Amino acid sequence: KQEVTQIPAALSVPEGENLVLNCSFTDSAIYNLQWFRQDPGKGLTSLLLIQSSQREQTSGRLNASLDKSSGRSTLYIAASQPGDSATYLCAVEDGNYQLIWGAGTKLIIKP
Amino acid sequence: KAGVTQTPRYLIKTRGQQVTLSCSPISGHRSVSWYQQTPGQGLQFLFEYFSETQRNKGNFPGRFSGRQFSNSRSEMNVSTLELGDSALYLCASSSGTDYQETQYFGPGTRLLVL
Repeated sequence: KQEVTQIPAALSVPEGENLVLNCSFTDSAIYNLQWFRQDPGKGLTSLLLIQSSQREQTSGRLNASLDKSSGRSTLYIAASQPGDSATYLCAVEDGNYQLIWGAGTKLIIKP
Repeated sequence: KAGVTQTPRYLIKTRGQQVTLSCSPISGHRSVSWYQQTPGQGLQFLFEYFSETQRNKGNFPGRFSGRQFSNSRSEMNVSTLELGDSALYLCASSSGTDYQETQYFGPGTRLLVL
């Protein structure tokens, strides 16, 4: 059974710092891994999708990597801003249009 | 293009009642997935519908059911509500024909069971 873990559960850093969020999964047979952002009381916004054959994806200040063999993904946020404060969730697609989720990392960027 | 919409946004019910939640996907999308989000269990997959057929189902009791209409709009029904059903219910849509595409989420319906 696929399990997704995110570390740390919470992170607070000063504005301007670069930071890394971690996601690990137990079964390497995935179709893709996705990173989402959730703001309080709101739905989910897709940030990056890495296909199983890819090693990384970039969007603006965000870069996500995927190492299927070790069951790990990282989300790198460069030059963090207060507007980046949110909960970040990673999820793996198991091939049945079912996303299996980590518990999320709550990120606070201090001005 | 309009995003995924969910109605109602907030709902208060009492134990034993039933509830129906609605989700309208992005125009052209034929797949609708439902998720439950709670502080204790996080996000959990309920089921996915494609072209009016349930294509995949998570590990939830039979009190949770859904359907999809010919216009791809979907409803989720929970019967005999329990306190533990209090959660944020999210729906997501996609074309349903490509495993490598992302899902687009609605704002959710927050259900409180008293």
